[in-house]
Amino acid sequence: DTGVSQNPRHKITKRGQNVTFRCDPISEHNRLYWYRQTLGQGPEFLTYFQNEAQLEKSRLLSDRFSAERPKGSFSTLEIQRTEQGDSAMYLCASRWDRIPGELFFGEGSRLTVL
Amino acid sequence: GENVEQHPSTLSVQEGDSAVIKCTYSDSASNYFPWYKQELGKGPQLIIDIRSNVGEKKDQRIAVTLNKTAKHFSLHITETQPEDSAVYFCAGGGGAGTASKLTFGTGTRLQVTL
Repeated sequence: DTGVSQNPRHKITKRGQNVTFRCDPISEHNRLYWYRQTLGQGPEFLTYFQNEAQLEKSRLLSDRFSAERPKGSFSTLEIQRTEQGDSAMYLCASRWDRIPGELFFGEGSRLTVL
Repeated sequence: GENVEQHPSTLSVQEGDSAVIKCTYSDSASNYFPWYKQELGKGPQLIIDIRSNVGEKKDQRIAVTLNKTAKHFSLHITETQPEDSAVYFCAGGGGAGTASKLTFGTGTRLQVTL
């Protein structure tokens, strides 16, 4: 499978715990994006990387959220001290910046905070 | 920033009929308008896109039109089939300084009935 891969697909955690999601983009894609999607809504931009550099973060990304892409390949999104409002689908997408705009999404990681 | 509005929120059509979903955008600098199909429990899948230098694009049963002056674009699905049932999202972006991050509409749940 050469698409965007996300793990885990589902995570149930108790409020206050930390969780980490991983995204493996399409191999030749140098840009990687994280989006959040809540029930009945469209995806909302969180942050993006060009290679290993995190170039933009949304105001939605509170201090409890941190994302990394250490070698410009896979990325992790960590949420510390989870809150019930963090429950959502976390989507990763990637693209090759020589083709403007076209984003390919993974299947998402669904987080449920009890 | 960009704001994308999408209508209707739900759409029910009989198999074989056509379906039309409409979106408006606010940022005149946006130049890329994709449409995504999302099935239950899966990530959004790109089905068609259009750039601002084109007024219409067609791919088999799916077509998209763009009116830059009015800042609206539409998805047309002809000869609908049950497998077309899903949530469809429009998005806009690609303007200067946006790093091609997309702003999504709130989605249209399409139900194709037999």
